[in-house]
Amino acid sequence: EIVLTQSPGTLSLSPGERATLSCRASQSVRNNYLAWHQQKPGQAPRLLIHGASSRATGIPDRFSGSGSGTDFTLTISRLEPEDFAVYYCQQYGGSPPTFGQGTRLEIK
Amino acid sequence: EVQLSESGGDLVQSGGSLRLSCAASGLTFSKCLMTWVRLAPGKGLEWVSGISGSGDSTSYGDSVKGRFTIARDNSKNTLYLQMNSLRAEDTAVYFCAKVQYYSDSNSYLFDYWGQGTLVTVSS
Repeated sequence: EIVLTQSPGTLSLSPGERATLSCRASQSVRNNYLAWHQQKPGQAPRLLIHGASSRATGIPDRFSGSGSGTDFTLTISRLEPEDFAVYYCQQYGGSPPTFGQGTRLEIK
Repeated sequence: EVQLSESGGDLVQSGGSLRLSCAASGLTFSKCLMTWVRLAPGKGLEWVSGISGSGDSTSYGDSVKGRFTIARDNSKNTLYLQMNSLRAEDTAVYFCAKVQYYSDSNSYLFDYWGQGTLVTVSS
């Protein structure tokens, strides 16, 4: 199965700053089938990005995804207070689908 | 608006059983592929099981195969997970999720999630 490694484990930033989160796959992800999900405590996770760079319905344009092959990035251009959460990458280019360990984005 | 609401999580002894439910609304449930995913303490998300819209096709992760059974009742818009022979390592928050299936990779994109229900297995 494809193993996803996210870095950093925790990212401490202030509102208004730019956040860059990384996800590295143990092998190339077919068709760049890579998604990003956001989870806040006590809430349902939410799909942000699919196909490495396509925003899901209703996701603000401050969220963007990039990358291909084995290296992928989620960028939040200007952090809003509601963006502080845990972010998971997920690949669906191989079976079974797998997730990274998560990056916790916390307020500095 | 798609809403998924899990229930049934509890504290159970090792070797015991538990059944989780997930009530769905805001979608044509019988046409949706559904899955269970879990988040164990200190670990990442793990896909557990999936089921087709009709219920006639199911799949399981290696860690739960032979112990867990996924099912659905389309007349009640409800998804189930029967968990038997529970182990301490099954302790996790369990999420139900609607998925899109990708046939070229035989894999799932998770597009809607519930809030989760906590299962604790004591040893």
